[in-house]
Amino acid sequence: AQSVTQLDSHVSVSEGTPVLLRCNYSSSYSPSLFWYVQHPNKGLQLLLKYTSAATLVKGINGFEAEFKKSETSFHLTKPSAHMSDAAEYFCVVSDLAYGGATNKLIFGTGTLLAVQP
Amino acid sequence: EAGVTQSPTHLIKTRGQQATLRCSPISGHTSVYWYQQALGLGLQFLLWYDEGEERNRGNFPPRFSGRQFPNYSSELNVNALELEDSALYLCASSLSGGSSYNEQFFGPGTRLTVL
Repeated sequence: AQSVTQLDSHVSVSEGTPVLLRCNYSSSYSPSLFWYVQHPNKGLQLLLKYTSAATLVKGINGFEAEFKKSETSFHLTKPSAHMSDAAEYFCVVSDLAYGGATNKLIFGTGTLLAVQP
Repeated sequence: EAGVTQSPTHLIKTRGQQATLRCSPISGHTSVYWYQQALGLGLQFLLWYDEGEERNRGNFPPRFSGRQFPNYSSELNVNALELEDSALYLCASSLSGGSSYNEQFFGPGTRLTVL
């Protein structure tokens, strides 16, 4: 079965400093991995996705993530945090069953990112 | 282009009542998904509809049900409400299912409170 583990429930950074949000996955198959962001009182927005193409994936708003099979990791990074980045971030894996996709997204528990001025 | 819309924004019910939540997908999308975001439980997959049929179901009791209409909009019904059903219910839509690579676009959610 597929699963994701977000290693930090809260991360606090200063504006202008790098962001690192950690995610490890478990999958019996080659996974499809995503990062979603949820701003307060808003729906989920896709930041980026990995679907077995390039291992370094660039997303919106300057975020990127690197798929490392040897470490079963898919960490999200950004070189310089902005105040508007403060939100909750979810690492997500697409569930796969023998014979094909089930279209079910499995969410991590989320990481709340705080950005200090 | 309009995104995924959900109604109502907020819904307050009492234990034992029924709740009906509605979702309109992005134009051209035929798949609709429902997720529950409950405090302490995170985001959990509820249901997936595609072309009017239920394709997959999460680990929820049968009192959680739904349907998809010919125009691809969807309804989620929760019968015999319990206090722990209080949560944000998110709807998402995508192009036709069957692939793990179709991006799911999420609506703003319906906040259900059960008193």
